Amino acid sequence: GENVEQHPSTLSVQEGDSAVIKCTYSDSASNYFPWYKQELGKRPQLIIDIRSNVGEKKDQRIAVTLNKTAKHFSLHITETQPEDSAVYFCAPRRAGGTSYGKLTFGQGTILTVHP
Amino acid sequence: DGGITQSPKYLFRKEGQNVTLSCEQNLNHDAMYWYRQDPGQGLRLIYYSQIVNDFQKGDIAEGYSVSREKKESFPLTVTSAQKNPTAFYLCASSMLGANTEAFFGQGTRLTVV
Repeated sequence: GENVEQHPSTLSVQEGDSAVIKCTYSDSASNYFPWYKQELGKRPQLIIDIRSNVGEKKDQRIAVTLNKTAKHFSLHITETQPEDSAVYFCAPRRAGGTSYGKLTFGQGTILTVHP
Repeated sequence: DGGITQSPKYLFRKEGQNVTLSCEQNLNHDAMYWYRQDPGQGLRLIYYSQIVNDFQKGDIAEGYSVSREKKESFPLTVTSAQKNPTAFYLCASSMLGANTEAFFGQGTRLTVV
């Protein structure tokens, strides 16, 4: 099965700084790489994703970069704001095979943005 | 209004009792999932289903059971065999296929009293 690890497990930054969270996976067949954000007491929601034929994708202050050779992808948040404080999860997926339907999340990164 | 709905939002159970958590979706998704989340912890997969009348164990299935009699519904039963059932339970659904987003219900907070 897929082994998924996120680093760091906690991240504390000052408002306006950048934050980077890395997700490392083991399944070389993975070809979809999303990041989810879970605010306190709420459900996780997709904030950005990338497919394996793309190396980088940006959406305003957030971006995701992919290194398929090294089997990791990262979430980048620039100009952080207090409302970015949340838990962030990665969940790489594969297209087929015996674990096709399984959806495994990283252990999460708690991001705290201090005003 | 499309989406995935979990009920109830809060649930209290006495020790030794089974309890069933509801999860319904009208997104026409094939795959459904149950996760457990403990305070400050990640999402641990309990069970998942890719098609009606079929489901697979996740990473922490012991003490839990599920059924998938309808595409729209994937109820989770927390049995008395689950030694530490107090947690936040999240249901999710997605289309099958690699490039597919998962949608989550609002969660059920189960407390054993």
